[in-house]
Amino acid sequence: DIVMTQSPATLSVSPGERATLSCRASQSVHTNLAWYRQKPGQAPRLLIYGASVRATNIPGRFSGSGSGTEFTLTISSLQSEDFAVYYCQQYSAWPGTFGQGTKLEIK
Amino acid sequence: EVQVVESGGGFVQSGESLRLSCSVSGFTFRSYAMHWVRQAPGKGLEFVAAISGSGGSTYYADSVKDRFTITRDNVQFTLYLQMSNLRADDTANYYCVRVAGAVDLDAFDIWGQGTMVSVSS
Repeated sequence: DIVMTQSPATLSVSPGERATLSCRASQSVHTNLAWYRQKPGQAPRLLIYGASVRATNIPGRFSGSGSGTEFTLTISSLQSEDFAVYYCQQYSAWPGTFGQGTKLEIK
Repeated sequence: EVQVVESGGGFVQSGESLRLSCSVSGFTFRSYAMHWVRQAPGKGLEFVAAISGSGGSTYYADSVKDRFTITRDNVQFTLYLQMSNLRADDTANYYCVRVAGAVDLDAFDIWGQGTMVSVSS
């Protein structure tokens, strides 16, 4: 299985500031990479697919980049609802695998 | 409005069986592959099983192979997960999810709220 590794495990950032989250794959997944946000007590929500394409109704402050094995999710100006857990997922090869998550907390 | 609603979770003893259901509406069900993804309490997300739009292809995580069976009814717009010989490490919230694209493995654009399965050893 392809192993997805996210860093850092926890990121402390102030509201209004920029957050940068990383995801690394154990082998190339090309651009078959998605990002999800999970708020407490809720299901995950798709933010980014194809490594850099925003999903429907996702605001412009979210951007994704990368290809191959290194990927980044950037949130340009953090809003209160952005303090949550973020997961990356590769869908290049079966089984689709997720990273262990990055918890974004208020500084 | 697109909706997926899971049901069937509960508390069972180790070795018992349970069937989860996922009722969908608001989209052409037979056109989309569907997956079950689970999340143990306080943990991350894990693929469990998947099925193609026609139901002709199925995929399983190694941890559930030969114990779980995924099926679908494209007339009743319902996805199922039959779970047998349950173990304590199957304890999790089980999400029914829709694949975003026209292939069996892709990003997941629609998630249900999940149904909790608790297995006591």
